[in-house]
Parts: sequence; structure tokens; C-alpha cells
Amino acid sequence: NAGVTQTPKFRILKIGQSMTLQCAQDMNHNYMYWYRQDPGMGLKLIYYSVGAGITDKGEVPNGYNVSRSTTEDFPLRLELAAPSQTSVYFCASSYSPGGPWETQYFGPGTRLLVL
Amino acid sequence: SQKIEQNSEALNIQEGKTATLTCNYTNYSPAYLQWYRQDPGRGPVFLLLIRENEKEKRKERLKVTFDTTLKQSLFHITASQPADSATYLCALATSGTYKYIFGTGTRLKVLA
Repeated sequence: NAGVTQTPKFRILKIGQSMTLQCAQDMNHNYMYWYRQDPGMGLKLIYYSVGAGITDKGEVPNGYNVSRSTTEDFPLRLELAAPSQTSVYFCASSYSPGGPWETQYFGPGTRLLVL
Repeated sequence: SQKIEQNSEALNIQEGKTATLTCNYTNYSPAYLQWYRQDPGRGPVFLLLIRENEKEKRKERLKVTFDTTLKQSLFHITASQPADSATYLCALATSGTYKYIFGTGTRLKVLA
């Protein structure tokens, strides 16, 4: 199993540009998450999904959009990039038949710089 | 507001000693608490989960305690090794939710 994969690894965007961060998992996990991590800070939840077709907002959803058309993929869309979105983005997944006690498996991250 | 605090200052200890990291929380009643390890440039890796009705959990050289009265979790690494050097994150979740709130992490450096 490849686990959780993310592309790209690094990207520089100009203010106002848009992009999609890709996330895929091959573990047949129901739950998928997007976090951002700013330097010296903890992970902040942006969006999460409990299954294909179902998504919900986390702590910091403004400026982002997500979709979940398949179990495997959970892309994160930035429509109008702003310097405040400079961060490292992590995707995670977990198999959870009933609760938050399951392990979250994280991808390697995407480093985004908005100039 | 809900707050999770981990010691933001790096913790330096000598090889072979026990490292103890703290995770304090306020205005929160977590049912589950997880500890993760994060190496520079990598995603977090799960280490241990402890539930609110468990006082202590062990896994090899790792031990986690969970005191809901003190609103605190302690994470211990015994016989620490330089390879244990990393940032350690705690994450809390209440029952009935699928969302974890993460602390800022504590950087541990084990000196040879």
C-alpha cells in the first residue's frame, strides 16, 4: 500500500491564482481530512469527509473548497490564493466504523508559498 | 474558548533518561487523546491513543497518562535515544465527533 499520497510536494502561487492540492489513499478509509500547519503551530482542520459525497467544514475553511467523489480521492481547492494561505498542507485518512478512536494516517504534505 | 497547550520550548535531555512531555487543555472534555510524532518535513505518525476512562497506556518505551481532573496528559519516553528526537503532538477529540484538535507540539532533542 502506498498509504496517503499528496501532490505536489511544493508549489509557489501568485496572489489570486488558484490551484488544487491532490490527496489519495489506497487503504479504503472512510474518513479523510485536510489540515494546514503554520510554522511553530499545531495542525488546523480545514475540511473533512466521512465518505464519498459527504464533506464538512473544520476550524479554518474560509478560502478553500473540497469534494469527495470517490473513496480514494479528496482534493482541496484554493480559488483565490492569498499570502495568508502560505502553509504546509497535510491530508490524512482513517478507517472509522464508529468513532474518533481510529488512527489518522498522514500524507507527506504539500508546502505552499503564496507571493 | 477551547485551548490545548504543549510546551513550546524545546526539551533537551540526555540519552538514556526519561523524557516527559505535557499536554494541558482547558474548556474541553475530550473522550480520546492521541499522541503523534512528527519529523521535520514529514507528516505526523500515530503513536498512542488513550481514552477518558483509561489512566495509563503503554507501548514499548512509551507511556501515556490521562488525568481528566487535572485536564492533562503526560507522555513519557523511557531510555530515550537520539532517534527519539522529533516534535510530539497531542490531539484531542470529544465523543460523537470525528474531528481532532491538535496542540502546537513540543520539540524533543535527545543528546548523545
